[in-house]
Amino acid sequence: GAGVSQSPSNKVTEKGKDVELRCDPISGHTALYWYRQSLGQGLEFLIYFQGNSAPDKSGLPSDRFSAERTGGSVSTLTIQRTQQEDSAVYLCASSLAWGGGETQYFGPGTRLLVL
Amino acid sequence: AQTVTQSQPEMSVQEAETVTLSCTYDTSESNYYLFWYKQPPSRQMILVIRQEAYKQQNATENRFSVNFQKAAKSFSLKISDSQLGDTAMYFCALTYNNNDMRFGAGTRLTVKP
Repeated sequence: GAGVSQSPSNKVTEKGKDVELRCDPISGHTALYWYRQSLGQGLEFLIYFQGNSAPDKSGLPSDRFSAERTGGSVSTLTIQRTQQEDSAVYLCASSLAWGGGETQYFGPGTRLLVL
Repeated sequence: AQTVTQSQPEMSVQEAETVTLSCTYDTSESNYYLFWYKQPPSRQMILVIRQEAYKQQNATENRFSVNFQKAAKSFSLKISDSQLGDTAMYFCALTYNNNDMRFGAGTRLTVKP
C-alpha cells in the first residue's frame, strides 16, 4: 500500500512569510508525528496526534508553529512569520496505533529553506 | 529524561565486511523500545530493526542484528556482509510510549567497493 506522503518536497520562502506543510499518513494509521531535522542533526520531536487530538504541544519550538489534523488523516504543520532558523527538513511519521513502541513509518520530508 | 548518544559521527567499511555502530542511552523507564533507522540520501527514514526492552533476546533482521545490553544501556547495530546500498545515515532511537521518541545524532556509514 501507499506509504506516508508529504508535500511539498521542497519549499523556499522569504523570511516573515507563512508556510504550510502537509502530511498524508498511511491509511488506517491513527497516530501521526512531526519531527524537525536540522542540517547534520538528529531528529527533534515536535508534536504527535492521536486521532485528531494533540495532547501535548510543548515540543513545538515557538508559538509561531501550529499543527492540526482533520478527519483522523491529513495533518498540516503551519509556521507563521518564518525565520531563517526554521530552515530544516520536516519529517512526518505515522503508526497504526499510539503507544507501546508502535513502529513509526516516515515520509520523505519537506525541505524548508527560509531566505 | 531520555537521551540517546551515538559517539561515532562517521564510519566506513569495505563491501562484504562487517561493521558495528554504537548507541548508548539513558532512561528511567523499565520498559521501553529501541530502534535503528536508516536514512539514505533520499531522506526517507527506513526502519532497520526494533527491540523491546523486556525481551532479552537480541533482535535480528537478515544481515542486521543488535547487541542489546540492558544493564549497560547499550544498543549496538551490527551489519554483516555490508552492501553498497547500506550507505546511509543510521539513527538510534528510544521511546517509552511513542509520544516523545528520542533520536541520536546519527552515524554516517559509507560502504566502499
